[in-house]
Amino acid sequence: GAVVSQHPSWVICKSGTSVKIECRSLDFQATTMFWYRQFPKQSLMLMATSNEGSKATYEQGVEKDKFLINHASLTLSTLTVTSAHPEDSSFYICSQEDINYEQYFGPGTRLTVT
Amino acid sequence: DAKTTQPNSMESNEEEPVHLPCNHSTISGTDYIHWYRQLPSQGPEYVIHGLTSNVNNRMASLAIAEDRKSSTLILHRATLRDAAVYYCILDNYGQNFVFGPGTRLSVLP
Repeated sequence: GAVVSQHPSWVICKSGTSVKIECRSLDFQATTMFWYRQFPKQSLMLMATSNEGSKATYEQGVEKDKFLINHASLTLSTLTVTSAHPEDSSFYICSQEDINYEQYFGPGTRLTVT
Repeated sequence: DAKTTQPNSMESNEEEPVHLPCNHSTISGTDYIHWYRQLPSQGPEYVIHGLTSNVNNRMASLAIAEDRKSSTLILHRATLRDAAVYYCILDNYGQNFVFGPGTRLSVLP
């Protein structure tokens, strides 16, 4: 199946700083990308959906000014957590959708805010 | 809310078959049934998907009820590496996936 990578795989940052997470599709072009967040022992929760070249659509309760999503190309999407706080500590997972509507998930990025 | 319901957890012995059920009584005619699994600290991994007919691949089989209101993921011979959370998800032409709590499968040696 298709391969999606995320970078970094884990990151520790201080409260108040910003962190950028990259999501790349390595062998296909993604029409749509999704960002999820997963807290310990919970399921994945969709944060936002983006299509290349257009603004992301955020789920209710997700602050768009705090979680900046840039879908720069058909192979790259970035999520920037601005002014991170300890409650933003979570496992962030991206997925990318190909033209056949199949979704491929990245390995996840564990963010710890101290 | 997730449109599927699954048991919270199941146990299996190694080398034995496992049948993971999923109920989706409100499924629409164009909803595909997807199964993903998630190992600890990893992103979800695609297992199998289908629309109406039963499906087989190298990982598993998917049995879909005739009325499509339920389905069963079948692992023919469970191994320790199959221990994961299994998610049953309905998807209609690229609408975002809604993850329920899934079924946590434990495999006993």
